[in-house]
Amino acid sequence: EVQLVESGGGLVQPGGSLRLSCAASGLTFSRYWMSWVRQAPGKGLEWVANIKEDDGEIYYVDSVKGRFTISRDNAKNSLYLQMNSLRAEDTAIYYCVKDEGATMSFDYWGQGVLVTVSS
Amino acid sequence: DVVLTQSPLSLPVTPGQPASISCRSSQSLLYSDGNTYLSWFQQRPGQSPRRLIYKVSIRDSGVPDRFSGSGSGTDFTLTISSVAAEDVGVYYCMQGTHWPPFTFGPGTKVDIK
Repeated sequence: EVQLVESGGGLVQPGGSLRLSCAASGLTFSRYWMSWVRQAPGKGLEWVANIKEDDGEIYYVDSVKGRFTISRDNAKNSLYLQMNSLRAEDTAIYYCVKDEGATMSFDYWGQGVLVTVSS
Repeated sequence: DVVLTQSPLSLPVTPGQPASISCRSSQSLLYSDGNTYLSWFQQRPGQSPRRLIYKVSIRDSGVPDRFSGSGSGTDFTLTISSVAAEDVGVYYCMQGTHWPPFTFGPGTKVDIK
């Protein structure tokens, strides 16, 4: 059974930093693209970033470019999201998500971790 | 970026009755390989999203056959043939044809009348 477990969320002040982690199990992690998708409180879903199996390609939504960095450690079956210069509008639940290349879609989601940016 | 619009945004339903959600794209989602990368997700209250359908009409494993997807080009529909109480939640369409970025519709909230 595929499991994606996020950690690292919490309350941070505007301008601050936070690093999210996602521990993957039940799959050969190194074979798949992975994404982060977020959901502001009471709002819809927004794709944030994704990373290729071998780190060879990385993409971001415009609103986080230059502030967020996605990375992975295939030896540890882990995905990360380093978030710097955080803004109130980054407040959201962040989901670790497995990409499915053949469908250009997302087939497994973690339970999510809440990030709150507030003074 | 591709913009997806959904209608209605709120859908009160009666158990046992059919229900449909429309998703329209700002540009065709037909990819050069002949596939159309339009997916549907269900998010029950307090839960993570769960994919129901991918490539317009293919149901994921374990998804009840009362859920079906249809459409082409820019117009797509998710249909629930006979709504069950457990179908309450928010439904999102998502496109993967023109990424980055992947984009989602605004969501349609389904609840029981």
